[in-house]
Amino acid sequence: GQQLNQSPQSMFIQEGEDVSMNCTSSSIFNTWLWYKQDPGEGPVLLIALYKAGELTSNGRLTAQFGITRKDSFLNISASIPSDVGIYFCAGLLPGNQFYFGTGTSLTVIP
Amino acid sequence: DGGITQSPKYLFRKEGQNVTLSCEQNLNHDAMYWYRQDPGQGLRLIYYSQIVNDFQKGDIAEGYSVSREKKESFPLTVTSAQKNPTAFYLCASSIVVGTGIETQYFGPGTRLLVL
Repeated sequence: GQQLNQSPQSMFIQEGEDVSMNCTSSSIFNTWLWYKQDPGEGPVLLIALYKAGELTSNGRLTAQFGITRKDSFLNISASIPSDVGIYFCAGLLPGNQFYFGTGTSLTVIP
Repeated sequence: DGGITQSPKYLFRKEGQNVTLSCEQNLNHDAMYWYRQDPGQGLRLIYYSQIVNDFQKGDIAEGYSVSREKKESFPLTVTSAQKNPTAFYLCASSIVVGTGIETQYFGPGTRLLVL
């Protein structure tokens, strides 16, 4: 099955710094979703994007649906220790199957 | 509270044994899914169901079986034919609208370990 290319694989940042991560694919997606997952827990939906070019915010998080519909970006501003976790993207193809990125592990150093 | 529940949180399987993982949702979602998560890999789809009494194989269905007798419930059985069942299993659900499937929500997961 198809998986999305997500980068970076891991990040170590100082508290207060901004974070950027992205997902790319060779396929065109109808929907992009961004999740955060803590160890041993289920993923929690952060942001959903439904239209090419759409820019959506959720507090300190901002995500964009790429114009080509083949990529998406997630930015976290002014990181705090509780931002620690694994972030991953999901794309919905026509035909209604989701594909997932391999995740970005974020560590925030106080 | 509305949401997706999975039980148990931890499950141990002996060699040759079938085990069933429970997934229940009270979100009135039409579609339900089972994914497997292994370290360093993205989620992989095992089975999905868009309506009651109908389900489709995903990318890694071998060694697994499901049923969808009720809209709220989508149990997953890990059979003895699944030779490497140790993983974190996630159930998810989505609402289906006229334009297709919208946002997908996940349960808390079940970790399966083989003794």
